[in-house]
Amino acid sequence: KAGVTQTPRYLIKTRGQQVTLSCSPISGHRSVSWYQQTPGQGLQFLFEYFSETQRNKGNFPGRFSGRQFSNSRSEMNVSTLELGDSALYLCASTLDLAGYEQYFGPGTRLTVT
Amino acid sequence: DAKTTQPPSMDCAEGRAANLPCNHSTISGNEYVYWYRQIHSQGPQYIIHGLKNNETNEMASLIITEDRKSSTLILPHATLRDTAVYYCIVRVRGNTPLVFGKGTRLSVIA
Repeated sequence: KAGVTQTPRYLIKTRGQQVTLSCSPISGHRSVSWYQQTPGQGLQFLFEYFSETQRNKGNFPGRFSGRQFSNSRSEMNVSTLELGDSALYLCASTLDLAGYEQYFGPGTRLTVT
Repeated sequence: DAKTTQPPSMDCAEGRAANLPCNHSTISGNEYVYWYRQIHSQGPQYIIHGLKNNETNEMASLIITEDRKSSTLILPHATLRDTAVYYCIVRVRGNTPLVFGKGTRLSVIA
């Protein structure tokens, strides 16, 4: 069974631009979570989606948003990029809301210049 | 904030058992202990989880103390590929986010 896939793997953007990252969960998994990883703050939870509904949200500004489609694929969007948004963005999928394990993708490395 | 305390780094000789400790003195009765690891620049990888009984799978063993205030992850025969940051997380089962601390950087040495 294929794992979690994320596209693109690497991205370079300029301050003020916006970016959309994509995540395809493991087949059959219905919950998708997003995390941001930076050297200073470590791994931090952004938000979680289940059945196209946001179930949980971390402490990030409104510039960070996401959505989930009926096929469980998810996208996250960051508007008005700042230098501090440079990070590894990780997506994780879980079978359902009662799932034990979250399976992570390889991440998208975003660099804001 | 993370509810766990882990040593920042540990070394282990290749082929020996790696024992990674974790303190979670404020764990609640319905919280599980999860272990993940992250090899450099990759996404975290699920290792094992447990509630109160010791658990074992093909990757590792998890030993939880009787009072559940601490646990140890055991990699029975560490290899160079086990070099990674290991995260201990306590979490209610279900749709609650993983709260990562700083973890333990394990270096397996040849």
